[in-house]
Amino acid sequence: QKEVEQNSGPLSVPEGAIASLNCTYSDRGSQSFFWYRQYSGKSPELIMSIYSNGDKEDGRFTAQLNKASQYVSLLIRDSQPSDSATYLCAFKNRDDKIIFGKGTRLHILP
Amino acid sequence: DGGITQSPKYLFRKEGQNVTLSCEQNLNHDAMYWYRQDPGQGLRLIYYSQIVNDFQKGDIAEGYSVSREKKESFPLTVTSAQKNPTAFYLCASSTAYDSSYNEQFFGPGTRLTVL
Repeated sequence: QKEVEQNSGPLSVPEGAIASLNCTYSDRGSQSFFWYRQYSGKSPELIMSIYSNGDKEDGRFTAQLNKASQYVSLLIRDSQPSDSATYLCAFKNRDDKIIFGKGTRLHILP
Repeated sequence: DGGITQSPKYLFRKEGQNVTLSCEQNLNHDAMYWYRQDPGQGLRLIYYSQIVNDFQKGDIAEGYSVSREKKESFPLTVTSAQKNPTAFYLCASSTAYDSSYNEQFFGPGTRLTVL
């Protein structure tokens, strides 16, 4: 089983709709989870961190964590063309190493 | 402004040459990291440093070397022993490697191309 799995996409979402990105991870001991946004040709930018089960909201972004099911998701409300990017899921494993997924490409349709 | 800088932005290397990528941070972070990103691949850890004068190999350290003589600086040398060095190199830092939170922040990256 891969340590972290994301659908590579592309995920196409109409402008103004909710984009939903999902990620599963293998290490049950993980406590820290992150979402990064990466525009083409640029470096990853941290947009959300979540450490407890449940939802965490920051502006148009909501991260959801379910440790029992070993998944973390990112919802983007009122999607804008500027949200078109690759979104990387990451988690910290029991060895304190950050494991990154390969990312999901999101395309917001004007 | 606090942040991480990397230079150069683009680097071209001839076969058999060693090249050094610069990474500087003014965030007062203890931990620093080097990753490599290839198209369609996730980030792969090359080396990391938890504190000055200490560093550990990551998953793909062969053909690379690092130093950590100052807290602010963590240069990466890509040696001629690295068989396929063409990639996007990313430097990151965090407050501490073993912190419960360990949010990592990235520099803008260096794109290395072997001619």
